[in-house]
Parts: sequence; C-alpha cells; structure tokens
Amino acid sequence: DQQVKQNSPSLSVQEGRISILNCDYTNSMFDYFLWYKKYPAEGPTFLISISSIKDKNEDGRFTVFLNKSAKHLSLHIVPSQPGDSAVYFCAELIQGAQKLVFGQGTRLTINP
Amino acid sequence: DAGVTQSPTHLIKTRGQHVTLRCSPISGHKSVSWYQQVLGQGPQFIFQYYEKEERGRGNFPDRFSARQFPNYSSELNVNALLLGDSALYLCASSLDLAGAPSTDTQYFGPGTRLTVL
Repeated sequence: DQQVKQNSPSLSVQEGRISILNCDYTNSMFDYFLWYKKYPAEGPTFLISISSIKDKNEDGRFTVFLNKSAKHLSLHIVPSQPGDSAVYFCAELIQGAQKLVFGQGTRLTINP
Repeated sequence: DAGVTQSPTHLIKTRGQHVTLRCSPISGHKSVSWYQQVLGQGPQFIFQYYEKEERGRGNFPDRFSARQFPNYSSELNVNALLLGDSALYLCASSLDLAGAPSTDTQYFGPGTRLTVL
C-alpha cells in the first residue's frame, strides 16, 4: 500500500530565511509528487509538482527536490514570508488508481 | 472565475442519520474527486468520478456513495453516520481524468465540515 509520510508536524522559521519541509514515500513505481498549501477554512491549494523522472523543479521562491534512492522529497521556500504560514501537504498521484495520497501535513509558521 | 464550490459549509448530524454533500466543479472540469480529512491528518481519497462514471474508490465502507450529474456537479452521500465520520469533506475538480499529471491538476474546494454527535 502506498504511503506518504511527513514526520515533522510543525516547523518555525524566521522571516527571510529558508524553510525546508520534508516528505518520505514508500512506493517505487513511476509517479508524480505534489505539494499543497492549506490555510484554515480553505481547501488545499496546489503549489508545485515534480515527476519522478526529475530531480528538481523550481517555481519562483519554491523548489522541490526529489531523491529517488532515498524515496525522499523536500520543499524549499526561500526567502520565507509571513504569508507562507500554513499547513503544507505533500501528496503522491497514484496513476491508474486515479487518486492523491497525502502525508499528514506540516504546519509552517514564519516569525517576523 | 469561480473555483470549486461546496455546500453546505458546516453541518451537524446525529449518529445514524444520513447526509448529502454537494460539489460544483470549476467550469469546464469533467472530473470530481472526494476526500475526507480528519483532524490532524492529511486528506484521504474516497471517490473519483469522470463523465458520470466512478473511476476510483478508496478504502471506505459501502455507507459512502457518490454520483456525478450531467453538468459534472457531484454529490457525496453517507448513510448511518458514525461519530468517526466527523471530518472535513473536500471536493476536488480537474479538467480531465486525474492521472495525466503533466496536463491536469486537482483544484480543491473549501470543504464541508461535518460534525456527528
């Protein structure tokens, strides 16, 4: 069974510094990984994605790194801004099963 | 442009009752997926519908059912509610069948908060 794990329930970072959120997965098949951001009382918002044939994808302040040998991905936010304070979910898109498998989420707090 | 809309926003039911949650996808999107998010966890996949047919089902009991209408809106039905069904129910729409990630992204609605007493 596919599993996605975010082992840090919370992370606190100073404004302007780098935020690094981590995620581990168990599935070895070719897949697609996504990061979503969620504010209270709103649904998750798509941030950035990466195909398992790539090692890195960058979009503005957000970069996702994929380490296939370690089955690990990370989201880097630099520089961190107060508006980045939210819960971040990593998710694996299971093709064929047509579903997203989410991690438990990491609450990121950016301190001024 | 309107995003994914869900109704109602909040709902309180008692054990054993039935509930219907509604979702309207982004205009032009043909695929709707439902997820359940309990407190402290990530969303869990319940169903996916595409062109009015069920295309994916998660590990949920038969008390959970759904359907998609010709206008691509969708309903999620839960029978014989249990306390453990209390959660945020999220609907996501995508242009096509989720699983073509290079061209398709799932966009989520704000969710319906269901409380079962």
